[in-house]
Amino acid sequence: QSLLIQPPSVSGTPGQRVTLSCSGSSSNIGSLTVNWYQQLPGMAPKLLIQSNDQRLSGVPNRFSGSKSGTSVSLVISGLQSDDEADYYCGTWDSNLNGWVFGGGTKLTVL
Amino acid sequence: EVQLVESGGDLVQPGGSLRLSCAASGFNFSNYLMNWVRQAPGKGLEWVASIDQDGNLEYYVDSVKGRFAISRDNAKGSLYLQMSRLRAEDTALYYCARRNFDIWGQGSLVIVSS
Repeated sequence: QSLLIQPPSVSGTPGQRVTLSCSGSSSNIGSLTVNWYQQLPGMAPKLLIQSNDQRLSGVPNRFSGSKSGTSVSLVISGLQSDDEADYYCGTWDSNLNGWVFGGGTKLTVL
Repeated sequence: EVQLVESGGDLVQPGGSLRLSCAASGFNFSNYLMNWVRQAPGKGLEWVASIDQDGNLEYYVDSVKGRFAISRDNAKGSLYLQMSRLRAEDTALYYCARRNFDIWGQGSLVIVSS
């Protein structure tokens, strides 16, 4: 069981807005910045959002990140079929003295 | 082009050893902390180990401490993961990734089975 809790699955229809959540604690999200990663089927992960809300170059502005206390959220607006992927949050944990990833959320576009 | 290419994955028996390599190109390798991350079949991402730019500081997930060793050769632009006393649960696709996990390789498959 990961220290960062993500719902296993989320679904939406094209054009819809969906929110992916990631919940942690004071030793990780509460005190450090969080990244979001997208893993398309059969591919290596790709960094989408760094430092809670900074989109990487080339990432559409349909993707946005935010943080509140010990939780972070990734919002995808104008959902598209090629957004269908696994999404992971990740950050450093000061108690473990190591990096932690959430268990991942599988986004399905219906 | 910024690139990471892993190699060395193989089928190995439980208790055996294996060394993974990751060749970096397109950036100044010696300026970056580097990581290994693994993904078991059908499972999520698990951070395995990190090493600082000079190779002086190493960090490991508890499940591999004492069995795995991360190292680097800045002159060659290469990252390594020496794995020993391998277990079935170490079976995974092993990725190397740059500092903030902003660049990933394509992965190298390690299968531990008799």
